Amino acid sequence: SQQGEEDPQALSIQEGENATMNCSYKTSINNLQWYRQNSGRGLVHLILIRSNEREKHSGRLRVTLDTSKKSSSLLITASRAADTASYFCWGSGGSNYKLTFGKGTLLTVNP
Amino acid sequence: DAEITQSPRHKITETGRQVTLACHQTWNHNNMFWYRQDLGHGLRLIHYSYGVQDTNKGEVSDGYSVSRSNTEDLPLTLESAASSQTSVYFCASSRNQGGDTQYFGPGTRLTVL
Repeated sequence: SQQGEEDPQALSIQEGENATMNCSYKTSINNLQWYRQNSGRGLVHLILIRSNEREKHSGRLRVTLDTSKKSSSLLITASRAADTASYFCWGSGGSNYKLTFGKGTLLTVNP
Repeated sequence: DAEITQSPRHKITETGRQVTLACHQTWNHNNMFWYRQDLGHGLRLIHYSYGVQDTNKGEVSDGYSVSRSNTEDLPLTLESAASSQTSVYFCASSRNQGGDTQYFGPGTRLTVL
């Protein structure tokens, strides 16, 4: 297994602004997922993007995947205070290969 | 509704004691995972199981064991608790091996004194 690396480690923005966080990895994957963790809680799945997809939307979330650069980005538009959380990427590849969770990006949305 | 539960939610124990953390899921998922989360380390995989009687070591398995006697449960045992095992433990499950979505429990905060 290899770790997905989220970047930046911490991000602080004002309510209404957009938040972008990135994930990089080193080995080919079949799909990549983003999870959110509110303080003191378990992770919650947000969105999955497959290797043959370049962009995917879900509500205020937009995820991109660039397999040539082995990177993904998560954009949260019109952020709200309730979006304050840590965000993690996780992916799986062939031959039962899986990324491990990284340290996440801590997003703080100030009201 | 299907869910995944962990018990206890909080546990304080002493060094050297055996501790078992319970994880129960009603999703009927094949896969179950145990992670620990510590400041500065993110989530680290301890053990995982792809089905009944199947168990596998993760990246930080020393000092931990699991057994899978049915689909619903994957208890995590600390054979002889150490202060370094003070952490928050999360159980998760997923349907299949192919990178399916993981569903996480609420976590168990373990303190080893």
